[in-house]
Amino acid sequence: EIVLTQSPGTLSLSPGERATLSCRASQSVSSSYLAWYQQKRGQAPRLLMYGASKRATGIPDRFSGSGSGTDFTLTINRLEPEDFAVYYCQQYGGSPPLTFGGGTKVEIK
Amino acid sequence: QVQLQESGPGLVKPSQTLSLTCTVSGGSISSGSYYWTWIRQPAGKGLEWLGRIFIGGSTNYNPSLESRATISEDRSKNQFSLKLSSVTAADTAVYYCARGDFFYGQFDYWGQGTLVTVSS
Repeated sequence: EIVLTQSPGTLSLSPGERATLSCRASQSVSSSYLAWYQQKRGQAPRLLMYGASKRATGIPDRFSGSGSGTDFTLTINRLEPEDFAVYYCQQYGGSPPLTFGGGTKVEIK
Repeated sequence: QVQLQESGPGLVKPSQTLSLTCTVSGGSISSGSYYWTWIRQPAGKGLEWLGRIFIGGSTNYNPSLESRATISEDRSKNQFSLKLSSVTAADTAVYYCARGDFFYGQFDYWGQGTLVTVSS
């Protein structure tokens, strides 16, 4: 099983700042198979990125993803009030189980 | 626009079987480009993938469920279902159904989630 470790656990930032979220895998993950989700309280997760760097439909370009191998990053430029939420990475390494990271909470400073 | 909706009992007794159904609208579960999956989230915790079903009926499950899970499909109703046997309080969670992309593996459409509580 591929374990995904997200850091930091909580990120305290102000609107307009940049958020950098990390997702580290216990073994190499094809960049094609790394996704990011945003979850707000009481809501289902929403797909942000797939294939490590491809934005999902309707996702603004202030969100970007990068990385390869075992280290992946989600960057949110110029945080908007609606961006304060919990973010999860997820890998699809081909063989189950599919796994999620433990999440990073982006909170208002 | 694809929509998914979970349904099923919100309260299940310990040792019994949890049964949930996901109804898909705006798209067919028979599409070969996708698979259909169940994910759960205990209160205040992260996401756990439970299993998936592909068109044709092949399935994969999370080994952590120790063979308690069964996912099936009903193409005539455009639905897929989850059964989880021998439940305990540890199975209390919000259960989500979602659509998975066959090629990249991401979950692009999710249901709103349904809370299932295991309690006597």
